Amino acid sequence: QKEVEQDPGPLSVPEGAIVSLNCTYSNSAFQYFMWYRQYSRKGPELLMYTYSSGNKEDGRFTAQVDKSSKYISLFIRDSQPSDSATYLCASSSNTGKLIFGQGTTLQVKP
Amino acid sequence: ETGVTQSPTHLIKTRGQQVTLRCSSQSGHNTVSWYQQALGQGPQFIFQYYREEENGRGNFPPRFSGLQFPNYSSELNVNALELDDSALYLCASSLGGRGTQETQYFGPGTRLLVL
Repeated sequence: QKEVEQDPGPLSVPEGAIVSLNCTYSNSAFQYFMWYRQYSRKGPELLMYTYSSGNKEDGRFTAQVDKSSKYISLFIRDSQPSDSATYLCASSSNTGKLIFGQGTTLQVKP
Repeated sequence: ETGVTQSPTHLIKTRGQQVTLRCSSQSGHNTVSWYQQALGQGPQFIFQYYREEENGRGNFPPRFSGLQFPNYSSELNVNALELDDSALYLCASSLGGRGTQETQYFGPGTRLLVL
């Protein structure tokens, strides 16, 4: 079993839709949770960084962490074609080592 | 832009050869981590360096080795290349030291193809 599981998709939505991306993890020691966005042939770009459980909002993006169910979510409101990318969830304990999910490919159609 | 640069952008090698990939971290970032990203997969942690010393290693064989220099640059060396080493190699720099989890900023990666 992988430490971080993520449905690879692909996920296709119309412009303006609300997008929900999810991951599960198995390691109870994970305290830090991140979402990265990766465009084709580029490096990952940090979108959201959350410590422990709770919600964090930044513009159109909301990250949620539920440590009781080991569930991580990213919501994108009013999705745009420019949001089309691969979204990677990542988790870490205090080691500095990021454990990534497989990534979910999102396409937002105009 | 994250301020993290990598060279070269693309590289083609043959099986058995050796390769050196380079990374320049953000100024002031004492920690550099290297990841391997196979096609269609998430990045996998190779190892991390903090102030020129190895600070953690993932499940990669010893033929993967690294160096970090005082000028915020670093190298990933891979000996005896295998076909499965074909991947995007990413470096990420961060402020954190030992026992911390600071934000990691990724470079654009080096795409390695082993024939």
